[in-house]
Amino acid sequence: KNQVEQSPQSLIILEGKNCTLQCNYTVSPFSNLRWYKQDTGRGPVSLTIMTFSENTKSNGRYTATLDADTKQSSLHITASQLSDSASYICVVRILEETSGSRLTFGEGTQLTVNP
Amino acid sequence: GAVVSQHPSRVICKSGTSVKIECRSLDFQATTMFWYRQFPKKSLMLMATSNEGSKATYEQGVEKDKFLINHASLTLSTLTVTSAHPEDSSFYICSASFAGERYVNEQFFGPGTRLTVL
Repeated sequence: KNQVEQSPQSLIILEGKNCTLQCNYTVSPFSNLRWYKQDTGRGPVSLTIMTFSENTKSNGRYTATLDADTKQSSLHITASQLSDSASYICVVRILEETSGSRLTFGEGTQLTVNP
Repeated sequence: GAVVSQHPSRVICKSGTSVKIECRSLDFQATTMFWYRQFPKKSLMLMATSNEGSKATYEQGVEKDKFLINHASLTLSTLTVTSAHPEDSSFYICSASFAGERYVNEQFFGPGTRLTVL
């Protein structure tokens, strides 16, 4: 069982609509949580980062929320554009005794925005 | 700032040959570089972590003799897939981090390299 689970696995919406992607994690101890956007055939690009004490972080049309008590995060995209079509990956950084910290990746939500 | 490049972006090779992939930090000195592998519609899987001037630390199940990593300078790491086979076909992504005050432990990802072994 993946320690970072994302839902839905895929999502198709019409241009201009809003959508919300979910991320549930079980890993600990938690350091921070990031949402990345990965275009097909490209590397991930960071959208937001949140630490334990932060509940909401916005970056343009992207708004991420974090509930550290329930270990849930969401990424809300408003007024979607065709260029938003990509995989959105939730990544949790956990603290480790040996390596200091480690990234744990979700499998991503594949978003398709249609005209 | 914090740009990471990879070269080549795509490579096709014959089975049994070796392929070298370069990862460069363009505007910062990377104290640590990471190599990931990604299969279609799957998450990134960490293969190894390398610090400049020292041997790479490989994740469990990753053959160090198969995937040779060299981190000879603070701006360059290379991954060599030796005696490549079709099952090595994948998307390889590197990332780099540095111990700057603002970006402690943050990883900056490269654009990836698509390897196809025929």
